[in-house]
Amino acid sequence: AQSVTQLGSHVSVSEGALVLLRCNYSSSVPPYLFWYVQYPNQGLQLLLKYTTGATLVKGINGFEAEFKKSETSFHLTKPSAHMSDAAEYFCAVSDPGSNFGNEKLTFGTGTRLTIIP
Amino acid sequence: NAGVTQTPKFQVLKTGQSMTLQCAQDMNHNSMYWYRQDPGMGLRLIYYSASEGTTDKGEVPNGYNVSRLNKREFSLRLESAAPSQTSVYFCASSPTRNTGELFFGEGSRLTVL
Repeated sequence: AQSVTQLGSHVSVSEGALVLLRCNYSSSVPPYLFWYVQYPNQGLQLLLKYTTGATLVKGINGFEAEFKKSETSFHLTKPSAHMSDAAEYFCAVSDPGSNFGNEKLTFGTGTRLTIIP
Repeated sequence: NAGVTQTPKFQVLKTGQSMTLQCAQDMNHNSMYWYRQDPGMGLRLIYYSASEGTTDKGEVPNGYNVSRLNKREFSLRLESAAPSQTSVYFCASSPTRNTGELFFGEGSRLTVL
């Protein structure tokens, strides 16, 4: 079974500083990888995803993530934090070994990002 | 462009009561999902429907039933609510198989006393 680990349930950064949110997964088969963002009192929305090809993927709002197979990681970064980035971020992986193929996602426990003015 | 619509947004139940959470999507998606979100536990899949007329159990199906009424609608029913079912419930849909891209509703906050 797939699992996802997000290091740090809360991360605080100053406005303009680098944002780094960590995600590690366990899988014997390369999965699809996703980052979702949840703003207060809203549903989740897709930030970016990795399926195949280029390991550095760019998403919305200036975020990007790099798939590192050797480290089983998919960390999310943004060079310069903005106040509007304050939200909860979820890493998710597909389950290629399941009957659902790459359709059923397993989510991490989330990282709440706070931006300090 | 409504996307995924869930009703109700808030509900308070007493232990043992029943209720149905409704979900509808207007994006012509084939797959629909119900997740629950609890603090420190992320999102956990309750049930899943790959197409009209089919449903499958997810990670935490006990205490729930679902119905895929048609391509647009996917409802979640609690027959006898328990305090452990206090949670925020999210419905989601996906355009095609194997994309992993989910579109979420805004959530339904359920409290069971």
